[in-house]
Parts: sequence; C-alpha cells; structure tokens
Amino acid sequence: AQTVTQSQPEMSVQEAETVTLSCTYDTSESDYYLFWYKQPPSRQMILVIRQEAYKQQNATENRFSVNFQKAAKSFSLKISDSQLGDAAMYFCAYLNYGGATNKLIFGTGTLLAVQP
Amino acid sequence: NAGVTQTPKFQVLKTGQSMTLQCAQDMNHEYMSWYRQDPGMGLRLIHYSVGAGITDQGEVPNGYNVSRSTTEDFPLRLLSAAPSQTSVYFCASSYSRASGRMADTQYFGPGTRLTVL
Repeated sequence: AQTVTQSQPEMSVQEAETVTLSCTYDTSESDYYLFWYKQPPSRQMILVIRQEAYKQQNATENRFSVNFQKAAKSFSLKISDSQLGDAAMYFCAYLNYGGATNKLIFGTGTLLAVQP
Repeated sequence: NAGVTQTPKFQVLKTGQSMTLQCAQDMNHEYMSWYRQDPGMGLRLIHYSVGAGITDQGEVPNGYNVSRSTTEDFPLRLLSAAPSQTSVYFCASSYSRASGRMADTQYFGPGTRLTVL
C-alpha cells in the first residue's frame, strides 16, 4: 500500500525568506502523480503544484517549486519570497496513475507560519 | 463556473440522527469523491464515484451511504450519526482518466464541519 509521510508538523519562516517543506512517499508503482495542496484557515483545499512521476523536470509555479527525487521517493516543496498569505497547512498527496480509483493518499500535513 | 459546492458549511447533530451532506459540481467531471479530515490524520477517502450510477467504497466507508443519480451531484448520507463522525467533510471532483493525464487533478469543495453530540 502506498503511504505519504510529512515529518515536519510545523515550520516557521520569515517574510521574504525561503522555506522547504519535506515529503516522502512509499510506492512500488512507476507511474504516479504527486501534489502539494494548501489549506488556509478558510479550510479550502487549494492545489499548489503537481508533478508527474514520468517527468524528470521539477515542476514550478511562480514562487513554488518542487525537488522531486524519484529514486529516493522524496518530493519537497520550496516556497521562495514567502508572503504572509502563504501561512497555511500544506498537504503532500500521492495518486497512482492507472489505478482503479482516483484515490488521493495524503500526508498528515505541515503547518507553516510566516513571521512578519 | 461555481466549481465544487457543498452545503451546509456547518452542522450539529445529536447521536442517532441522520442527515445528507450535499455536493455539486458544474465542471462536467465524471469522478467525484468524499473525504473526511480529522486532526493529525490528513484526509481519508470515504466513498467515490467514477460516473453516474457507479459508486464504490473508499478507506473509511462505515456509517455512510452515497448515490450518484446525475453527473453533477454526489450526496453523502449519514445513516445514524455517531460522535466518531465529528469531522470536516470534503467533496472533490475530477475528469476521468479517459480525458488525458491532466484529468486526475482533483478540485475540492469548501468543506462541511460536522459535530455530533
């Protein structure tokens, strides 16, 4: 069974600085997706970034980028130039491509605080 | 597009009561699912549907029923509420895999906070 582990329950960063959130996963599949979702206090789950496992190039979305290490099964999120609005819970999630369901498997989350 | 909508936003029930959480999407997505979010546990899949008339169980289905009579709607029914069902419930939807690789990105509704006393 696939699992997702986020080992940092809480992180803190100064405004305008860079922070990296860690995520590791376990799977025997070769074709899958990885996601980072952001959950602000409003509770809305917002897709931040997505990575296809077959792509070697790391995904980027403006100030957000990932470091995808397939062999190490590691998928970290880097937030550059942190802003107050980045404060939220961040969830790493895994989706098996070609599986019977579109079941997302989530980590337990990292709560990010941004200090002014 | 309104995206994925959920009602109600908040609900308080007494043990043994039943209720239905509503979920609707206007993106013509074939795949819809229900998750629950509990502190320290991330989101866990309750039930899912790959199209109208087709539903299946997820990781934590006990105490919940679903049906999918239309593409747009996917209600979640609590048959006899228990305090263990106190949680935040999220509905999500996506295109089917037949639509291509980008299809699997799931979009979430705003959630329903349910308290069972």
